[in-house]
Amino acid sequence: DAGVTQSPTHLIKTRGQQVTLRCSPKSGHDTVSWYQQALGQGPQFIFQYYEEEERQRGNFPDRFSGHQFPNYSSELNVNALLLGDSALYLCASSLKPGSSYTFGSGTRLTVV
Amino acid sequence: AQRVTQPEKLLSVFKGAPVELKCNYSYSGSPELFWYVQYSRQRLQLLLRHISRESIKGFTADLNKGETSFHLKKPFAQEEDSAMYYCALYNQGGKLIFGQGTELSVKP
Repeated sequence: DAGVTQSPTHLIKTRGQQVTLRCSPKSGHDTVSWYQQALGQGPQFIFQYYEEEERQRGNFPDRFSGHQFPNYSSELNVNALLLGDSALYLCASSLKPGSSYTFGSGTRLTVV
Repeated sequence: AQRVTQPEKLLSVFKGAPVELKCNYSYSGSPELFWYVQYSRQRLQLLLRHISRESIKGFTADLNKGETSFHLKKPFAQEEDSAMYYCALYNQGGKLIFGQGTELSVKP
């Protein structure tokens, strides 16, 4: 079992561009949550997907959007990138909302 | 407001010394609390959750509702315990709210 898989591992984008990050949940898990972890900070909740719908959303602007596919994998999209979007983006999966999370290794996004 | 506070950014102890990593929370209702650990170059992983009341790698944590605390303790620190530790709170629906983390450094 590969656990939670995220791609790419590292990414450099220019301010104003758009980015898509991908996540494959742990086998058997159907819920995916995304977190942003800035340097020196704890992870901040972006949103959670279950049954292909966004169930909860944190305090992030509409530039952050997501999607969940029928196979439970998920994408995080960020439009009009700002320098402040530079962070480690973590994906976590669980068996139903409210169950224990398994985290991926993250995607390190650098906006220049 | 739902919030988790870890007052220490860095905690440095010598091997064999007791360790206590502090965590305070703000939550209306019955909280579900966790400790996550991140070793160097590894992914975030669950260390323990308060409802299981188990001891993992010698660590324990007791929920104190009166003091709204969930401090992580270990009687004798080991060098391999050096890592980032995050306290987290589950809200209804499964959103994890993390503290800012405490870096534990265990010196030989």
